Amino acid sequence: DQQVKQNSPSLSVQEGRISILNCDYTNSMFDYFLWYKKYPAEGPTFLISISSIKDKNEDGRFTVFLNKSAKHLSLHIVPSQPGDSAVYFCAARSGSASKLTFGTGTRLQVTL
Amino acid sequence: GAVVSQHPSWVICKSGTSVKIECRSLDFQATTMFWYRQFPKQSLMLMATSNEGSKATYEQGVEKDKFLINHASLTLSTLTVTSAHPEDSSFYICSASPGTRAPGELFFGEGSRLTVL
Repeated sequence: DQQVKQNSPSLSVQEGRISILNCDYTNSMFDYFLWYKKYPAEGPTFLISISSIKDKNEDGRFTVFLNKSAKHLSLHIVPSQPGDSAVYFCAARSGSASKLTFGTGTRLQVTL
Repeated sequence: GAVVSQHPSWVICKSGTSVKIECRSLDFQATTMFWYRQFPKQSLMLMATSNEGSKATYEQGVEKDKFLINHASLTLSTLTVTSAHPEDSSFYICSASPGTRAPGELFFGEGSRLTVL
């Protein structure tokens, strides 16, 4: 039972344009959502997060939007840069302090 | 920033042997560490929560006798894959948080790729 879903396995965006990565979840008990970025053969790196009591959090080029009624969140990267090319994982937390449920990831390719 | 380091980064072993993977928090103490497993093109699946000084908490479906976890100090947790078989081949990643971060904001190790022949 995949409680956190990233339905797009890959996304290709031109440099300078906006990248939008989507994530859906089914568990209404999730109270905190995070995005992690992962390069090949490396562990994930924390990118940005949002509490379930908010609908938007912004950090530089990265903005996360949360739509609780739709159980949907998205990560916007603008402008996209070639160095953003990586796999992005959506993760959600429920209850236990740091126990996370991850999505399957979306591979972002930013082209020149 | 906080760093979590894993060793070895990759290991190849014969079927039936045991393999130990170390996870260290280099500049902070971690009473709790997490072990994840990732199959190709799949998400990171939490295997167990490693607790310093006490037994690990395993997720449903994870065999505790197969995946031995020891958290002997505040900076070191080890995962031992016992009697490894080819189906245990996977990417194993540990994570921890220095506590000063928001819950869920974990630092991950580099991962350890295990190949069982």
